[in-house]
Amino acid sequence: AQSVAQPEDQVNVAEGNPLTVKCTYSVSGNPYLFWYVQYPNRGLQFLLKYITGDNLVKGSYGFEAEFNKSQTSFHLKKPSALVSDSALYFCAVRVRISGNTPLVFGKGTRLSVIA
Amino acid sequence: GAVVSQHPSWVICKSGTSVKIECRSLDFQATTMFWYRQFPKQSLMLMATSNEGSKATYEQGVEKDKFLINHASLTLSTLTVTSAHPEDSSFYICSARLGLTGEQFFGPGTRLTVL
Repeated sequence: AQSVAQPEDQVNVAEGNPLTVKCTYSVSGNPYLFWYVQYPNRGLQFLLKYITGDNLVKGSYGFEAEFNKSQTSFHLKKPSALVSDSALYFCAVRVRISGNTPLVFGKGTRLSVIA
Repeated sequence: GAVVSQHPSWVICKSGTSVKIECRSLDFQATTMFWYRQFPKQSLMLMATSNEGSKATYEQGVEKDKFLINHASLTLSTLTVTSAHPEDSSFYICSARLGLTGEQFFGPGTRLTVL
């Protein structure tokens, strides 16, 4: 079975400071990892994904994430946080990139960026 | 990027009535669509996987007779909540998979409130 853990319910960071939102995963096989962001009463917006290749993945809005196989982690990072980054962030995993396997989501981490 | 729409964006209904939610992939054909349910401040819970022209596969604990899913074409899937009760009140999000790459795109969600 595949699962995702986001150990922090809430992350607070001052505007302009770097931010990290943590994610660890558990799968039997090669993981395909994703980060999504959700604003209030909205659906999910895709930020970035790791399929294969370079462990450092760059995505939308200046976000990046690093795939670490030995630590089974895929932490989301941004060098300088903006107030507009405040939202709910979800990490998700799939075992295969095709087929009917759905995305499995972590419980989400609420990011608050304080001016 | 690929766009997924949902209609309606919000609905309020009386207990005992049925509500239909539509999910459309606007600029691509989706062989597989997924329906998720999200409770306040919680993660997305997968309800069912829907393939065009075949019966949906429901997750454990999801009543298939209560949550009717129809995937009649490659661009449309519908979720009907039958005989709705207040406990069915939730945020329902659909997702469509782009066949070739396997990427999953999400609709904006439908907020259902059952009085």
